[in-house]
Amino acid sequence: EAGVTQSPTHLIKTRGQQATLRCSPISGHTSVYWYQQALGLGLQFLLWYDEGEERNRGNFPPRFSGRQFPNYSSELNVNALELEDSALYLCASPNSRLGQGVDTEAFFGQGTRLTVV
Amino acid sequence: AQSVTQLGSHVSVSEGALVLLRCNYSSSVPPYLFWYVQYPNQGLQLLLKYTSAATLVKGINGFEAEFKKSETSFHLTKPSAHMSDAAEYFCAVTVAYSGAGSYQLTFGKGTKLSVIP
Repeated sequence: EAGVTQSPTHLIKTRGQQATLRCSPISGHTSVYWYQQALGLGLQFLLWYDEGEERNRGNFPPRFSGRQFPNYSSELNVNALELEDSALYLCASPNSRLGQGVDTEAFFGQGTRLTVV
Repeated sequence: AQSVTQLGSHVSVSEGALVLLRCNYSSSVPPYLFWYVQYPNQGLQLLLKYTSAATLVKGINGFEAEFKKSETSFHLTKPSAHMSDAAEYFCAVTVAYSGAGSYQLTFGKGTKLSVIP
């Protein structure tokens, strides 16, 4: 069984550009979480998609957006990049099925390292 | 709102010494708690989880954690540190997202463990 895959591994952009990050969850998983891991700030929750809909978003400006496709893969878009957007962006695929949830384990991809110069 | 606090952003231990990483939670309802580990340039991997079945939880790589309701703690321990344990460790709690029947992981800021030979 393939794990959570993220692409690209590394991405270098200049300030003001747009970045697109991609994530494919584990086969059969319908939810995707996005987290930002900036130096010294731990994991900050960005977005949660389930069944194609945005279920919740963290405390980030609207230039952080995304979507989930019918095959449950997901895209994270960051517009008007700023230097402080430089971080590791992690995608997680929770192992949640109908009737489960609260003790759900999340499987993480290896992340996309975004560098804004 | 549920949250976790990790005490100490950086912990150093000698090889063979006890590892103790601290995590306290705040929750108005019984929490579900997790410890994840992140090796350099990797995503997060589940170490162990508490789901109310037993207060002492054993995980992978010799780690264990004890849920203490009276102290609102879920500290991670390992009797004897190994060089390969050097990594960043994250405590997390499941937050119930009302109305959706699904849940969302909230992470602490992480503790970086260094093991000194």
